[in-house]
Amino acid sequence: TQLLKQSPQFLSIQEGENLTVYCNSSSVFSSLQWYRQEPGEGPVLLVTVVTGGEVKKLKRLTFQFGDARKDSSLHITAAQTGDTGLYLCAGASGNTPLVFGKGTRLSVIA
Amino acid sequence: DAGVIQSPRHEVTEMGQEVTLRCKPISGHDYLFWYRQTMMRGLELLIYFNNNVPIDDSGMPEDRFSAKMPNASFSTLKIQPSEPRDSAVYFCASSSMPYRGPTQPQHFGDGTRLSIL
Repeated sequence: TQLLKQSPQFLSIQEGENLTVYCNSSSVFSSLQWYRQEPGEGPVLLVTVVTGGEVKKLKRLTFQFGDARKDSSLHITAAQTGDTGLYLCAGASGNTPLVFGKGTRLSVIA
Repeated sequence: DAGVIQSPRHEVTEMGQEVTLRCKPISGHDYLFWYRQTMMRGLELLIYFNNNVPIDDSGMPEDRFSAKMPNASFSTLKIQPSEPRDSAVYFCASSSMPYRGPTQPQHFGDGTRLSIL
């Protein structure tokens, strides 16, 4: 079974701070997706990274796929209260369904 | 465009009762997934369908759980009889097939929060 471990599990920071959350595995993935889930809603796709070493930016969010395609990170610059939510990474491999991590629950306090 | 629609949004029932959760996927999507989410276990895949055919139900916890997809626009997840440990948020997701296989981005509904007393 391919497992994705996300860290930290919980993170509480002040508005304006920077943060990085991680998604690690011992398995290689063909691509990796990041989702954000807000309370009472389903996860929503933020980005897909495909190439080892790839970096993608979405406004203040920077996503990186590890060179070996086993891990990924999400960096948020100058966090805002609207960034609060559960951040999930999901790995794709071959013809099998996505494997989801348990997520990092981020709370940004004003 | 309408997203994935799930009903009901909340369900509270007593143990032993039958529970039916419903999902309408995005029109044109080939894949439909049922997940269960809890704080302890995160998001668990229960079963998924491709073109209305169940492909992998190895995540279904017990025989008390069953899922059907009678047509491309409707699926149900049924629990009979329900137990308190089934309490969780159940999500349905669908995806299209621009790439090969079921690993393309998924579109989730807003879930059904199920409480079994």
